[in-house]
This record gives sequence, C-alpha cells and structure tokens, in this order.
Amino acid sequence: AQSVTQLGSHVSVSEGALVLLRCNYSSSVPPYLFWYVQYPNQGLQLLLKYTTGATLVKGINGFEAEFKKSETSFHLTKPSAHMSDAAEYFCAVRGNAGKSTFGDGTTLTVKP
Amino acid sequence: DAGVIQSPRHEVTEMGQEVTLRCKPISGHDYLFWYRQTMMRGLELLIYFNNNVPIDDSGMPEDRFSAKMPNASFSTLKIQPSEPRDSAVYFCASSFRAPNTEAFFGQGTRLTVV
Repeated sequence: AQSVTQLGSHVSVSEGALVLLRCNYSSSVPPYLFWYVQYPNQGLQLLLKYTTGATLVKGINGFEAEFKKSETSFHLTKPSAHMSDAAEYFCAVRGNAGKSTFGDGTTLTVKP
Repeated sequence: DAGVIQSPRHEVTEMGQEVTLRCKPISGHDYLFWYRQTMMRGLELLIYFNNNVPIDDSGMPEDRFSAKMPNASFSTLKIQPSEPRDSAVYFCASSFRAPNTEAFFGQGTRLTVV
C-alpha cells in the first residue's frame, strides 16, 4: 500500500521568501515521487519527479525537492517566492501497479 | 501531441439528466485515469484503465457512474441520472506504463448539476 501526507493545507509566504511545502510518503516498494502544480482552472502539471539516482531533484520554475529515504520525505522548496507561484501543489507516489496516490494538496499564497 | 483533450470544458445540466464526459489521451500512453476534484473531497481517483481494460473502479461513487474505453484514443465517463452532488471538476489523465513516468492531465470538465 502507498500513501502520501502533505503537512499544511495552506501555506502563505511573502514574495522573495523561502517556499517549503512538506510531503511524507509510505510505499512498500522503492517509491517514484512526483510534485505537480495546479493553477486556477487548469489541470495538474508536473513540476519535478524523483525516480532513481540523485536525491536532489530540480524542476521547473526554480523549484527543487530532496528525497530523504530515512525520513520518508520529499519536501518541495524554492529559495525565493514569486507572485506567479501562487497555486495548489500536489505530492504523489506511483507504484508498480500503475496507479498514483496523491496527497490532499497545499495551497500556496504569495503576499506582495 | 496536443496533450490530453477533454470535452466539454463546461457542462450545466438539470438533475436527472444523463451526462457524458469525453477524453482523448496522449497517443501511445498505456494508462488512462479519471479523477474528480471538489473543495470538500479534493482529488479522487474514480477509475483507471490499462490498455483499454478497466483495472480498478473502486473509486466510482455509485452505479450511476460508468466509464468505457472502446479504443486507445477515446474514453467516456457517464453519469446517469445526474444529481447536484455530482457537481465537480472531472479530470482525465494518461501516462506510459513505467511507474517512473508522470501523468499528463487534461484541462478538466467543470460539471454543474442544477
């Protein structure tokens, strides 16, 4: 069985501040982990993913995430928030059966 | 490829009517997923297909919901009869088989049942 927990349904930061969105997972097999972003009135789109290899993964728009097996975490960060980063962010784990399990999502608000 | 294409983008219907949502996945993808998104329940997986065969429909809320995938390039989600509580955004997504690949989502269909 696999599951994803996103800590904090809402996160608010000031423009230019560090963004940290938390994700913890459980998986009975080596996990494939993903972060997706959803802008208003749009579908989800991939930000970045961890499959194998380097544990620090870089994605689009300056986001990155670090896979920490010992902590079963895959937190998403961005050094400096921009107004355009305001969106909902979903962490997901995909198993060998093909199905992805998504977290409940975190809404990021960026204050000017 | 134009991505995952869903139609219609918006649908308003009266309670009791039949609603059909359509999806064209990305060519070559093995998996197709139907999700429902609401404020209250978040993103829910309704059903998914592998090579046109339904694999898991445990997320389908009731017998009023049905989904088909007659071929690799087309899928439908039908609600009959529709109810106001079915109002939501319905997403279709597709992906390759390999678990290290991501899902590609359509723009969604916003369904309002009045």
